[in-house]
Amino acid sequence: ILNVEQSPQSLHVQEGDSTNFTCSFPSSNFYALHWYRWETAKSPEALFVMTLNGDEKKKGRISATLNTKEGYSYLYIKGSQPEDSATYLCASNAGNNRKLIWGLGTSLAVNP
Amino acid sequence: ETGVTQTPRHLVMGMTNKKSLKCEQHLGHNAMYWYKQSAKKPLELMFVYSLEERVENNSVPSRFSPECPNSSHLFLHLHTLQPEDSALYLCASSLVADGYNEQFFGPGTRLTVL
Repeated sequence: ILNVEQSPQSLHVQEGDSTNFTCSFPSSNFYALHWYRWETAKSPEALFVMTLNGDEKKKGRISATLNTKEGYSYLYIKGSQPEDSATYLCASNAGNNRKLIWGLGTSLAVNP
Repeated sequence: ETGVTQTPRHLVMGMTNKKSLKCEQHLGHNAMYWYKQSAKKPLELMFVYSLEERVENNSVPSRFSPECPNSSHLFLHLHTLQPEDSALYLCASSLVADGYNEQFFGPGTRLTVL
């Protein structure tokens, strides 16, 4: 994988559902993986920076895991709420810690 | 409030106009970035300033001209733009000492070129 890829592109869930999506990134020269949450008309907001294989981070109902050997990270949202509706972006600074390579994002809509 | 502000939030300009986008960060950071976000494309890095020195210019056309007068302020000067330059322009900042380069973003300027 040469680029950062995210799937699915979009997701619609009902309030209370748990959901997850994937970020795939180049595993060679891995340095760090970033997750951001971007609500419409607001600034992208950093959720997690992950660096170690097997790392798991959690912030409230949102958690993320990291597999640097196979080059993927999962983001999980437990009991989705309408306020979780946003685009979730991941970015990798593989091999160059100044430049982030971005995915296209997963757009999540949580229906009340 | 992320501590990074951008003005204006929306801008409509003709191809012959000259305008500037402004970014200001209140986080004590010393690296600043301009990104372009177009529909169905990932964030594209345009310019990076580190300690007020431009360290990256990703083959951006000369009709975009950045300026970083100090570590808190970043400008993007625009002239003779093309309709395909219409996009969301995001500013970000970070600490040079942060090896993982966690970036803090402004809300963006939505630019429309007629």
